[in-house]
Amino acid sequence: DTAVSQTPKYLVTQMGNDKSIKCEQNLGHDTMYWYKQDSKKFLKIMFSYNNKELIINETVPNRFSPKSPDKAHLNLHINSLELGDSAVYFCASSSQDLLGRGVFYEQYFGPGTRLTVT
Amino acid sequence: GESVGLHLPTLSVQEGDNSIINCAYSNSASDYFIWYKQESGKGPQFIIDIRSNMDKRQGQRVTVLLNKTVKHLSLQIAATQPGDSAVYFCAVPLDSSYKLIFGSGTRLLVRP
Repeated sequence: DTAVSQTPKYLVTQMGNDKSIKCEQNLGHDTMYWYKQDSKKFLKIMFSYNNKELIINETVPNRFSPKSPDKAHLNLHINSLELGDSAVYFCASSSQDLLGRGVFYEQYFGPGTRLTVT
Repeated sequence: GESVGLHLPTLSVQEGDNSIINCAYSNSASDYFIWYKQESGKGPQFIIDIRSNMDKRQGQRVTVLLNKTVKHLSLQIAATQPGDSAVYFCAVPLDSSYKLIFGSGTRLLVRP
């Protein structure tokens, strides 16, 4: 009954490779996110999708490409991996601010994917 | 822009004592604040929130205090337990309801 799940939990790969992380939520939420947490625990948003539409795209290298095949899934593909990409990547989801009132809905986080680039 | 910071990176408390974790924010227009708890190997988990029209909000063993004058909020945990050991983040939505800015985190260590 996991609300937000990610696969894989651990990913070790070499520089230059291409890898994907998958995320699924069964909460019925319309909005999903990708966050990056570095070794100092600093957590920063990367992307957000609302109803399969990209709504937040932070200053992230274009080697990172999110893809949302449907509302319940948001995958993250990373090309030409670099050492600096090593981090924990969290997927999250939330309800939608339908009326655009700036109402914040709680974001539910997945367990994270620890990516190590060697 | 918004920045959120914490005064102490690590806080060590005796089991049973009260814990206070502090957070400062920079945007005086911020009107909503959230505390998250992240246990080792897990994702952040919502603890409690507070809106700017409030100074204090209480949950189960947790209290959040907001001082808008000095742009500071704190999370108080009563009778700290070993299960409270985690990294605690304050967070503020920026610009829209979707973009969440996290503080740098405080690690809470509970001594038995």
